Amino acid sequence: GQNIDQPTEMTATEGAIVQINCTYQTSGFNGLFWYQQHAGEAPTFLSYNVLDGLEEKGRFSSFLSRSKGYSYLLLKELQMKDSASYLCAVSTSGNTPLVFGKGTRLSVIA
Amino acid sequence: GAGVSQSPRYKVTKRGQDVALRCDPISGHVSLYWYRQALGQGPEFLTYFNYEAQQDKSGLPNDRFSAERPEGSISTLTIQRTEQRDSAMYRCASSLATGVETQYFGPGTRLLVL
Repeated sequence: GQNIDQPTEMTATEGAIVQINCTYQTSGFNGLFWYQQHAGEAPTFLSYNVLDGLEEKGRFSSFLSRSKGYSYLLLKELQMKDSASYLCAVSTSGNTPLVFGKGTRLSVIA
Repeated sequence: GAGVSQSPRYKVTKRGQDVALRCDPISGHVSLYWYRQALGQGPEFLTYFNYEAQQDKSGLPNDRFSAERPEGSISTLTIQRTEQRDSAMYRCASSLATGVETQYFGPGTRLLVL
């Protein structure tokens, strides 16, 4: 089976740094995606990792360890607009549907 | 188009009626995916197409659900004899080509079965 785990909810302070973890056990692995989803809106692409290590993109960074089945999304200099759900998703092979975690709802407070 | 579009955005129907949900992918995108998303959950796979060929329909809950993409562009997800448990957000996504490509999501159709 496919299993992707991430915390249900997190709260962080404006201007701070937050790390959202994701662990996965899947039948195959061909890359890991992070999506951001604001309430009532469509998921939007944030990052993609297929090799081990850290990918940095502005205030957002994503890390992958394939041997550990582990990824995290790091958000720096948090802003109120970062309040959203963050979805971890795994591509198990080639051009196939993504397997999504349940999402982590992040609340940024003043 | 600029992005993935879906119609209708909201659909209220009575139990037992058939509904058709439409997805118009980003122009030129080869692959099209249908997902269902419950409140507070991640999207769950239903079915997907490469061009006009349905590649996998293992996520469709039962035989009341079907999908087609006859010309390799617009797709329709049809639910026959709707039931209250079918109420959900139905999302469509498309990606450019085969291989691991980023999937871009549409705004979804919120279906409510009374």
